[in-house]
Amino acid sequence: AQSVTQLDSQVPVFEEAPVELRCNYSSSVSVYLFWYVQYPNQGLQLLLKYLSGSTLVKGINGFEAEFNKSQTSFHLRKPSVHISDTAEYFCAVTPWNSGYSTLTFGKGTMLLVSP
Amino acid sequence: DSGVTQTPKHLITATGQRVTLRCSPRSGDLSVYWYQQSLDQGLQFLIQYYNGEERAKGNILERFSAQQFPDLHSELNLSSLELGDSALYFCASSVEGKGLDGYTFGSGTRLTVV
Repeated sequence: AQSVTQLDSQVPVFEEAPVELRCNYSSSVSVYLFWYVQYPNQGLQLLLKYLSGSTLVKGINGFEAEFNKSQTSFHLRKPSVHISDTAEYFCAVTPWNSGYSTLTFGKGTMLLVSP
Repeated sequence: DSGVTQTPKHLITATGQRVTLRCSPRSGDLSVYWYQQSLDQGLQFLIQYYNGEERAKGNILERFSAQQFPDLHSELNLSSLELGDSALYFCASSVEGKGLDGYTFGSGTRLTVV
C-alpha cells in the first residue's frame, strides 16, 4: 500500500514570493507521482506529473516539482506566486505496476497568497 | 467545464435515507472513480469501474454501492445514511485504467445528512 504525507496543512505567503509545498510518500514499490490543485468550490485539476525521465517536471501555471527517490519526496515549487494561486494543493501517488490502480492522495496543503 | 458531469450538486437528506449520485464521464474516458472528501479524512478512494466492470475497491462501506452502465455513466448509491456520511463526493474519469494521463474530476456532489 502507499501513503502520502503533506507536511504543511497551510502555507501563507505574500504575492510574488517563492513557495515550496512539501510532499513525502511511502511505498514498497516504485510509484508515479502527481500534483493536483483544487480551487474553491471546484473539482481537482492536474498540475503536473512524474512518470519517468527527468526528475524535474514542469506543469501548468508556472509550477514545477522535483522527484527525489532517495528521500521519497516530490516537492512542488513556484518562484513567484500570484493571488490567483490561492487554492488547496494535493500530492498523489499510484503504484508502478501493471493492471489497474488508483490514486492515493495526501491530505492537502492550503496555499494562502496575500497582497 | 471539465467534461465530467455530476448531479445533483447539492443534496440534503435525513438519516436513514437512501440517495443516488450520478456521474457522466468525459467523452472517451472508460474509467470512472469515486472519491469521498471530508475535512477529517481528506480524499478517500471509494471504488473504480472500467468499461462497466468493477476494477478496484477502497474504503467503501457496505451501505454504499456503485455501478457503471453500458453508456459509461456511473451511479453511487448511499443507503441507511448517517450524519458521518456528510461529505463532498467526487467522480473522476480517465481514458485508461491507471489514470496516468491524469484524472478529470467533476465539481462534486455535496451531501448533507441531517
